[in-house]
Amino acid sequence: GAVVSQHPSRVICKSGTSVKIECRSLDFQATTMFWYRQFPKQSLMLMATSNEGSKATYEQGVEKDKFLINHASLTLSTLTVTSAHPEDSSFYICSAGLTVQGRVTGELFFGEGSRLTVL
Amino acid sequence: LAKTTQPISMDSYEGQEVNITCSHNNIATNDYITWYQQFPSQGPRFIIQGYKTKVTNEVASLFIPADRKSSTLSLPRVSLSDTAVYYCLVGDIRGGATNKLIFGTGTLLAVQP
Repeated sequence: GAVVSQHPSRVICKSGTSVKIECRSLDFQATTMFWYRQFPKQSLMLMATSNEGSKATYEQGVEKDKFLINHASLTLSTLTVTSAHPEDSSFYICSAGLTVQGRVTGELFFGEGSRLTVL
Repeated sequence: LAKTTQPISMDSYEGQEVNITCSHNNIATNDYITWYQQFPSQGPRFIIQGYKTKVTNEVASLFIPADRKSSTLSLPRVSLSDTAVYYCLVGDIRGGATNKLIFGTGTLLAVQP
């Protein structure tokens, strides 16, 4: 099946620094990718929809200036947590949909997740 | 987007069949039902998807009644490795931003020896 890869899988940073997380679709092109955040023992919360070549669409309550999303190519989307604080510590997961002959198959493929710890 | 309701947790034993039911009373005409499995510290993994009646693949079956207001994921003969959180999602899968899927609480399935 299609593969979505995230990097890094784990990152620890000091408060106030910025951290970039990459999401790549390895064997297919993804015009749309999604970024989720998951706190311990909670469900995934959709943060934003990343659109190739255009601005991301953020969910209500998610600060677009804090969580910068760039989708510069059909295989790469990045999430940058700017001026990270301890409350930003979480598990960040991206996903991408598979398009076959111009039609979305409806199956989302998720990355392995990136665990961010802000000290 | 249709809201889903699932049991928070379920217990089972190895070798048993497990059925997890999801309610989605306000499902729209174009919505599909998709189930995902998530292990700790991993991204969710697709299990099965359906629109109506019954769908079966190598790992699970999905039963959807005629009114589509609920669905049941059936896992035959579970093993310890099936211990995970199972999410039921409902949405229009036909393209672009409509692929946006909202996760509900999920069901934590605990399989015991």
